Amino acid sequence: EVQLVESGGGLVQPGGSLRLSCAASGFTFDDYAMHWVRQAPGKGLEWVSGISWNSGDIGYADSVKGRFTISRDNAKKSLYLLIKSLKADDTALYHCAKGQLGGGPRAAWFDPWGQGTLVTVSS
Amino acid sequence: DIQMTQSPSSLSASVGDRVTITCRASQNISSFLNWYQQKPGKAPNLLIYTASSLQNGVPSRFSGSGSGTDFTLTVSNLQPEDFATYCCQQSYSIPLTFGGGTKVEIK
Repeated sequence: EVQLVESGGGLVQPGGSLRLSCAASGFTFDDYAMHWVRQAPGKGLEWVSGISWNSGDIGYADSVKGRFTISRDNAKKSLYLLIKSLKADDTALYHCAKGQLGGGPRAAWFDPWGQGTLVTVSS
Repeated sequence: DIQMTQSPSSLSASVGDRVTITCRASQNISSFLNWYQQKPGKAPNLLIYTASSLQNGVPSRFSGSGSGTDFTLTVSNLQPEDFATYCCQQSYSIPLTFGGGTKVEIK
C-alpha cells in the first residue's frame, strides 16, 4: 500500500522558516515525480511545487517562488519543502502527493495524497 | 496562469440522482484535466485523469468528458458516500491549477 506521511509543520512567526518532510513507502519512490499541494483553512487547493524523479526538473507556484525550495532524497525515500520568509497567507495544510512515473512536475495528476502537515504563520 | 472555473459552487441532490459538474479552463488544455473528490478532514482522492480515464478502484458511476476548455464530471445514481466536494485540476502547464470546488450536499 502506498503511504505518504508528512511532518515538520507547526506554529511559526511571520518571516520564519520551516522544513517539511514527506516519508514515502509502498512504491518505488525514485521512479516518480512528487509534489506539494496546500489548502488554506476553508479554502481550495493550491499546487505549491513539483519535482521530477531525478530532481532535474522543478516547478513552483508564483506565490512561493524564491521563498520555497523543494528537494528529495531518493535513498531515504523522502520529499522535502524548505519554506522561508513565511507570511500569514502561507497558513495551510501542506500535502505531499505522488505524481507521474518517470515524469516531471508537468502533465501531473496527484495520487495518492498524504494527510498533510499544518503550517500556521502567526505572531 | 491557466484559470479553472467550476460551476456550480454547490448543489443539492438526492440519492439516486444524476449530477453534472462543469469545469472551464481559461485556455485550451487539450485533455489535461483531472478530477478529485474530497471529504471533510480527508485528503483529496483522484477520480478521473486526462479528462475521461477512470482511476483504478473508483466506481463506474463516475465519468468524465470534454476537451479543450470545457469539461464535465458526471455522477450517475448518486450514493450516500458521494456527498463531498469535487475539484478539477489542469495539468497542461505550470503552475498546475485547481478549480474552486463544487460541494455536493444532500437535498
